[in-house]
Amino acid sequence: DTGVSQDPRHKITKRGQNVTFRCDPISEHNRLYWYRQTLGQGPEFLTYFQNEAQLEKSRLLSDRFSAERPKGSFSTLEIQRTEQGDSAMYLCASSFQEHTEAFFGQGTRLTVV
Amino acid sequence: GNSVTQMEGPVTLSEEAFLTINCTYTATGYPSLFWYVQYPGEGLQLLLKATKADDKGSNKGFEATYRKETTSFHLEKGSVQVSDSAVYFCALRVNTGFQKLVFGTGTRLLVSP
Repeated sequence: DTGVSQDPRHKITKRGQNVTFRCDPISEHNRLYWYRQTLGQGPEFLTYFQNEAQLEKSRLLSDRFSAERPKGSFSTLEIQRTEQGDSAMYLCASSFQEHTEAFFGQGTRLTVV
Repeated sequence: GNSVTQMEGPVTLSEEAFLTINCTYTATGYPSLFWYVQYPGEGLQLLLKATKADDKGSNKGFEATYRKETTSFHLEKGSVQVSDSAVYFCALRVNTGFQKLVFGTGTRLLVSP
């Protein structure tokens, strides 16, 4: 197992376009998290899945954002009608059980021009 | 609410110097505390953690002690190496049953030979 994998690593898009990112967690991990990290800041929690159920969403996740984990394995994060303020690093993490270490992927860097 | 404050960087040191990166927190209840490290081009990696007051987390020569009375979790290393150059994030997790981490803004460490 090579750890948490995110794709793409970099994405440049024009304002108003939709983008989708993918996260493949470590195979036996049933918990999956999305965070957003803007320049000079620490990561901020966006949402959490336990298996296929999305159990918590941050207020940061506006209506333009949607996340899915259809079969309890990989997850996608979609941003519709992107805005320049969406430019950030989007991080995915996974863990096996509650209170165990979360492993982070390398992130997808989104630039909205 | 829950928040983490850490010293601004960059922290610039010469090899073999002593390192301290300050971290203080505000939390409801009794959080677990973490230090994560982000090397250039890589994802976040857990460096060390402490789950209750007076616990000391340690790894790779780094140490941090959970101080409830001062709500602090300062990171220390006796002798830094060039390879320690990275961004260090202090974080807390409240006992919500999943890994919802609250991060500080990060401190960049630059170690010169």
